[in-house]
Amino acid sequence: GAGVSQSPSNKVTEKGKDVELRCDPISGHTALYWYRQSLGQGLEFLIYFQGNSAPDKSGLPSDRFSAERTGGSVSTLTIQRTQQEDSAVYLCASSLGDYNSPLHFGNGTRLTVT
Amino acid sequence: QKEVEQNSGPLSVPEGAIASLNCTYSDRVSQSFFWYRQYSGKSPELIMSIYSNGDKEDGRFTAQLNKASQYVSLLIRDSQPSDSATYLCAVNSWGGADGLTFGKGTHLIIQP
Repeated sequence: GAGVSQSPSNKVTEKGKDVELRCDPISGHTALYWYRQSLGQGLEFLIYFQGNSAPDKSGLPSDRFSAERTGGSVSTLTIQRTQQEDSAVYLCASSLGDYNSPLHFGNGTRLTVT
Repeated sequence: QKEVEQNSGPLSVPEGAIASLNCTYSDRVSQSFFWYRQYSGKSPELIMSIYSNGDKEDGRFTAQLNKASQYVSLLIRDSQPSDSATYLCAVNSWGGADGLTFGKGTHLIIQP
C-alpha cells in the first residue's frame, strides 16, 4: 500500500516568508509525528497527533511553528517568518498509535531558507 | 529524562564480516524496540522490531534484546557495502510522543 507522502520534497524560501509543509499519513494510522533533522544531526521531535486528542506540541522550537491535522488524516506544518536556522529536513511519520507499532517515515521535505 | 545511547561511530567493518551495533536505554519500563536504517540524504527506514528478550532474526539481520541490562543490539551478517548507513535505535515505553525516544545513530561503513 501507499506509504507516508510528504510535499513538497524541496522548498527554497526567503528569510521572513511563511511556508507550509504537508503530510499524508498511511491510511488507518491514527498517530502522526513531525520531526526535524539538521545536516548530520539526529531526529528532533516537533509535534505529535493521536486521533482526536489534543496534540503534543512540546517539541515546537518557537511560536513561529504550528501544525494542524484535519479530519484525523492530512497534517500541515506551518513555519511563519522563516529564519535561516529553520533550514533542515522536515520528516513526517505515522503509526497505528500503540507502543508496539513502529513509525513509518515519509521521504521528508528539505527546507532551505536563504 | 529518558535516554537512548548509541556510539556515533563511524564503525568500520570489512565486507563479509559481522557488524555489531549497540544501544542502551535508560527507561526500565520500555516495551518495544526498533532499528532504523538511514542512508545519507534519505529518511529512516524500519528494518527490525523486537519486543521480547532474546534474539530475533530476519535474513542477515539479528536483533538482540536484554531488558535486564537495558541493552539492545543489531547484528548484520555478511556485511555488504550497501549496508553502509546510519542506524538509529528507537525505544517506546508506553506509546505517544513522550514514550518514544530515538538514539542519535551509529554511522556504519562497510569497507570493500
